[in-house]
Parts: sequence; C-alpha cells; structure tokens
Amino acid sequence: DTGVSQDPRHKITKRGQNVTFRCDPISEHNRLYWYRQTLGQGPEFLTYFQNEAQLEKSRLLSDRFSAERPKGSFSTLEIQRTEQGDSAMYLCASSSSGGDTQYFGPGTRLTVL
Amino acid sequence: GQNIDQPTEMTATEGAIVQINCTYQTSGFNGLFWYQQHAGEAPTFLSYNVLDGLEEKGRFSSFLSRSKGYSYLLLKELQMKDSASYLCAVRGRFSGGYNKLIFGAGTRLAVHP
Repeated sequence: DTGVSQDPRHKITKRGQNVTFRCDPISEHNRLYWYRQTLGQGPEFLTYFQNEAQLEKSRLLSDRFSAERPKGSFSTLEIQRTEQGDSAMYLCASSSSGGDTQYFGPGTRLTVL
Repeated sequence: GQNIDQPTEMTATEGAIVQINCTYQTSGFNGLFWYQQHAGEAPTFLSYNVLDGLEEKGRFSSFLSRSKGYSYLLLKELQMKDSASYLCAVRGRFSGGYNKLIFGAGTRLAVHP
C-alpha cells in the first residue's frame, strides 16, 4: 500500500507533555498538509508544505505547535505543553504539484488527560 | 471569509437515492470536493467539480453551480456500507494563493434496511 501513512495512530498523554506525530506522504507528492478534526466537525487546515518549505500556517496553529518537513519527504507535527483542548484527530494529506486531489492518511488520534 | 453549509444528518433506505446539498461562500473559488468519512477513519476522496455541471462516477454523482454557490452529492442504489459522514470541501485562492481545503461540518448519513 503506497498511501499516506501516519504514526502513531493513537496517543494518550498528560496535560503539559510534548507530543510529536509523523506523516509519510505518497512518495511522488511534493505537497503536504496538516489538518485537525474534532468530533462532529470537518477537518480544519493547520499548515501546508511544498517540498521542504512551509508556505502557509493557520491562525489555529499557536506557538505551541510546530511542523517541519526537513527533506521534503516525511513531516512531523509537534505540540508542546499539551492542553485538553488539543484532543483531536490530526490528519495529514498529500497531493502532487498541479494535482487537484488531496489524499488523507489514517490520522493520529490525540487524547490529552 | 469562507462559509460552507450542509445538513447535519440525513436518513435513507437501502436501495433508494439520496441527495446531500452543500452551499458555500468563498472568494477565488477553485474547485469543490466531496469526501466520505466512516467513523474513526480518514476522509476518502469521492469527487471533484471545478466547472458547472454533473460529474458521474458509478453510483455517486456530484453537481456544481458556481453562480449559485451550490453543489450536491447524489448517491444511488444505497447500500448499508454507505452509512458515513459526507464532507463538502472548497478550494480557493485564499491568502497566499495555496490550495488548502475548507471543509463543511459534514452530513451524517444513516442507511436503514
């Protein structure tokens, strides 16, 4: 299977801890997106990379959040000093340059106790 | 700003036809997407419209009217496995001109025998 993969699939942490999630996009895709989804809502855009460049960040992405894509392949999303309000599904998607469709990974479900 | 509206819930009978509507307000429209999302899983791409008219793909069809800011997803010959949330998402030339998606809250469809 060569779809988008994410790790871990589930993460339970205590408030105040730091967490890091990884996304591996479809191999030939140079665009990578992070979204956050809470129960009963659609995904909300967080940030976007084209190759290794982070080209857009949502205002939802507070200074506790940071994302990287150092070699233009996989990406990491780190949340520092987690809060209960950070509990959500974190989705990664990728698309090809000039492609129209974003393909989503299975997501990482974060629970902050 | 951007605003996407779709009904929260719908029910239908196995074998029937259901139409899920989506209205949107956005600047710089550049495409509308429909995704299917089963509970606890990632969104799966269903269809894409950028020009007015109907796009048919098997049991699923999607319609777009750009002048009315309106789209619908038509599901025919409903099966129990079609019970899921259906997400309408709009792509626009938002700040920076990059192709993030803005999602509606989703329509939860329940198919009954």
